[in-house]
Amino acid sequence: DVKVTQSSRYLVKRTGEKVFLECVQDMDHENMFWYRQDPGLGLRLIYFSYDVKMKEKGDIPEGYSVSREKKERFSLILESASTNQTSMYLCASRLKWGDRRGYTFGSGTRLTVV
Amino acid sequence: AQTVTQSQPEMSVQEAETVTLSCTYDTSESDYYLFWYKQPPSRQMILVIRQEAYKQQNATENRFSVNFQKAAKSFSLKISDSQLGDAAMYFCAYQPGAGSYQLTFGKGTKLSVIP
Repeated sequence: DVKVTQSSRYLVKRTGEKVFLECVQDMDHENMFWYRQDPGLGLRLIYFSYDVKMKEKGDIPEGYSVSREKKERFSLILESASTNQTSMYLCASRLKWGDRRGYTFGSGTRLTVV
Repeated sequence: AQTVTQSQPEMSVQEAETVTLSCTYDTSESDYYLFWYKQPPSRQMILVIRQEAYKQQNATENRFSVNFQKAAKSFSLKISDSQLGDAAMYFCAYQPGAGSYQLTFGKGTKLSVIP
């Protein structure tokens, strides 16, 4: 089975810090995604990447950037963390564009910005 | 834009009973895919079941089955013989057909299982 690993399960950062959330998948998937999950709002797409060095904005990209230098790793960057970025962050991957089998998710990183 | 609506924020079911979670979606596409994901307290999102829109037959996976009504744009999940391990958040998700890139999720339904 594909494994998607998020480096931190819990993270506490201060306002204004630069924050890196890391995600690694081990099965050569082309597509990778970052979502944030908030109670009552479900999952909202922040950014996605359909291949190495490629990235596209999702529905809520403001305040975030991403990096995909290697196929297996997709990083979410909060340039200057703010309290409204306190949330659960989920990384997901998919074999390729148009694959119909759904995503494989990581276990999430719960980020608290104080 | 496609939208996915789960009208039941919370539901509960007695152990061994059957429960149905509702999901409706809005799309103008004819080719698409629908999914139910489960998120237990461990937070790992797990794919429960998927349905291709072009298939009339409802998908089934063990105790989980769907009632897919394409004309009504409805995609409900039925859990039979509910178990304590079924307690979780359940998310309905929609993906357009060829060329699509992302899933659109509903806001989720929290299912509690009463012993």
